[in-house]
Amino acid sequence: GAGVSQTPSNKVTEKGKYVELRCDPISGHTALYWYRQSLGQGPEFLIYFQGTGAADDSGLPNDRFFAVRPEGSVSTLKIQRTERGDSAVYLCATSSVGWTGELFFGEGSRLTVL
Amino acid sequence: DAKTTQPPSMDCAEGRAANLPCNHSTISGNEYVYWYRQIHSQGPQYIIHGLKNNETNEMASLIITEDRKSSTLILPHATLRDTAVYYCIVRVAPIQGAQKLVFGQGTRLTINP
Repeated sequence: GAGVSQTPSNKVTEKGKYVELRCDPISGHTALYWYRQSLGQGPEFLIYFQGTGAADDSGLPNDRFFAVRPEGSVSTLKIQRTERGDSAVYLCATSSVGWTGELFFGEGSRLTVL
Repeated sequence: DAKTTQPPSMDCAEGRAANLPCNHSTISGNEYVYWYRQIHSQGPQYIIHGLKNNETNEMASLIITEDRKSSTLILPHATLRDTAVYYCIVRVAPIQGAQKLVFGQGTRLTINP
């Protein structure tokens, strides 16, 4: 597709379970970002990748959160031992390295932890 | 990145110009002003950005004060589809490598019929 694709669009899980959220970037975009958005709040930065490596993971809240991008394209955000406070919309964005710095966002994955 | 201050909410009549203010008094000389908006249940969407000159594109105009401490996003003829949360962000231009955007709370703009 032409845009950033995120799957699943909705995920309901139980407290303590493991969750994976996937992001398919726009072809050719080397930078990939993960954000988390709680109801009524602006997106909160989690991590970004430049190619395969995590260039800045300062936003990951704790060691239950981890993200990978093994081939520099698709990325997976992994959450272990989910807690009710992890419930949020997880947004992925990508960009090409260039002058404008415009980020293209996906529709998000809504995670609900019961 | 410098912080920004925006009013939490604004209303505007359909067909009128919507003027959204943003204060960024601690902006550095190499930081740009970016505007994004987020329509309900969608990801944020880029609108426009600028350094010190006024900018215009098909979506909006950006007016930056001479001292660069504040700016205004102008939607010239607002429609109901412009109802969204608008975020003003300042950041260094990504000349080399990628850099994160830091979102604040934004302004919730409601366009009324």
